[in-house]
Amino acid sequence: DTEVTQTPKHLVMGMTNKKSLKCEQHMGHRAMYWYKQKAKKPPELMFVYSYEKLSINESVPSRFSPECPNSSLLNLHLHALQPEDSALYLCASSQERKYSGNTIYFGEGSWLTVV
Amino acid sequence: AQSVTQLDSQVPVFEEAPVELRCNYSSSVSVYLFWYVQYPNQGLQLLLKYLSGSTLVKGINGFEAEFNKSQTSFHLRKPSVHISDTAEYFCAVSLRTGANNLFFGTGTRLTVIP
Repeated sequence: DTEVTQTPKHLVMGMTNKKSLKCEQHMGHRAMYWYKQKAKKPPELMFVYSYEKLSINESVPSRFSPECPNSSLLNLHLHALQPEDSALYLCASSQERKYSGNTIYFGEGSWLTVV
Repeated sequence: AQSVTQLDSQVPVFEEAPVELRCNYSSSVSVYLFWYVQYPNQGLQLLLKYLSGSTLVKGINGFEAEFNKSQTSFHLRKPSVHISDTAEYFCAVSLRTGANNLFFGTGTRLTVIP
C-alpha cells in the first residue's frame, strides 16, 4: 500500500473551472513532487518542493499552481485548463532532495479529464 | 546530459516463463539506478534500486536486476512470471552528484499470457 495519498482519484472539469488536487504523506519526508503522466508515456516532472519551498518549476504553465501548506501536504491548483492537460497527475515524496539515492515514493495518482 | 533507453516497448511472455526487460543508460556522471512498476490504473511502485556494492540487486515480487558498468546496463529479470506481473515497467536513473530527481526511460509493457 502506498503511503502517499492523493485525492480525488478522478476529476472531470470544464475549461473555466477551478479545482485542486491534494496529496498527503506521513512518512516525515521533506521533499514532495508533482508529476504529469500521459497515456503510454513516462512521468514528467512538474514541480518539486524541498522543506516546503518551491525548488523546481519545470516551465509549467501558470494555469497550474502548486502549494505546500506544510511538510505533509501538497496541493495542485488548477484553473483554465485545456483538454490537452488531461492526464494522470502523480504526487510523490522522498526523505530529502540532497541525496539522489533516496527512494521517491509515488501516490496512486489523480486522473484528470478536461472537457 | 543523461538518457535512459528501454528498447523493448512491449514484451509478451507466457506464464511461468522467464523474462528479461532491458535498460541501458548514458550519463557523463555516475548514476543510481531504479526500476519502477506501474500496474494498470495505479501509481508507480519501486521494484528495486542499485546504489553501490553487489551488482546483483534483488527486489520485490521475485525480480532482480544486474548492474553492468562496462555495458551501462541495468536489465531486469524474473525467472518465472505470473499473470499478476502484467504491468508497465520503467527504468530510471538519478545523478549521484545531483539532487534527488529521476530520469525515466520510455517504459516496457510486460504482458503475461496464460
